Amino acid sequence: GENVEQHPSTLSVQEGDSAVIKCTYSDSASNYFPWYKQELGKRPQLIIDIRSNVGEKKDQRIAVTLNKTAKHFSLHITETQPEDSAVYFCAAVVSYGQNFVFGPGTRLSVLP
Amino acid sequence: DVKVTQSSRYLVKRTGEKVFLECVQDMDHENMFWYRQDPGLGLRLIYFSYDVKMKEKGDIPEGYSVSREKKERFSLILESASTNQTSMYLCASPPSVGSGPNEQFFGPGTRLTVL
Repeated sequence: GENVEQHPSTLSVQEGDSAVIKCTYSDSASNYFPWYKQELGKRPQLIIDIRSNVGEKKDQRIAVTLNKTAKHFSLHITETQPEDSAVYFCAAVVSYGQNFVFGPGTRLSVLP
Repeated sequence: DVKVTQSSRYLVKRTGEKVFLECVQDMDHENMFWYRQDPGLGLRLIYFSYDVKMKEKGDIPEGYSVSREKKERFSLILESASTNQTSMYLCASPPSVGSGPNEQFFGPGTRLTVL
């Protein structure tokens, strides 16, 4: 089955700096890669996603890149702000199963 | 706006008790999922359901069962609660599969403590 690894497990950056979180997956059949943000005490919410026919997607300060050959994808947050502090989860999904396999999460702290 | 609700935010039970966690979605979705969330382990799939009365085991089904009698409701059952089932439980539901997989909409979570 699919296995998703995520690094780093914790990340601290200064406000205004960039943050990068990387995920790798094992199942070449996976073709949907969402990123979720979970603030303390709240439910995970989708912040950006990418499908396998696209190499990069950007939404304001957030971008995701996908390398299908290497089976890895990354979340990039630029100009970080304190409200970006949260746990971020990546996931890989095989379309026919809709089975989301999540990474273990990255706790991002943006220091003022 | 999709709404996924869970019956309790916090629950405290004793070892050996039977525990029911309920999840309801109001968007007529066919798919519903139960995850547990533990520090350092992320979200792990317990069971999922593609339709009424249909269920499939996820990655960690041991000690759990589920029930889907109605489309909008998906229940997670701990037959005999144990301390290692202390966790945050999250229900989720994506839109029906059409052109491919879609966002999972999560419920608020139930923090279960088994004493």
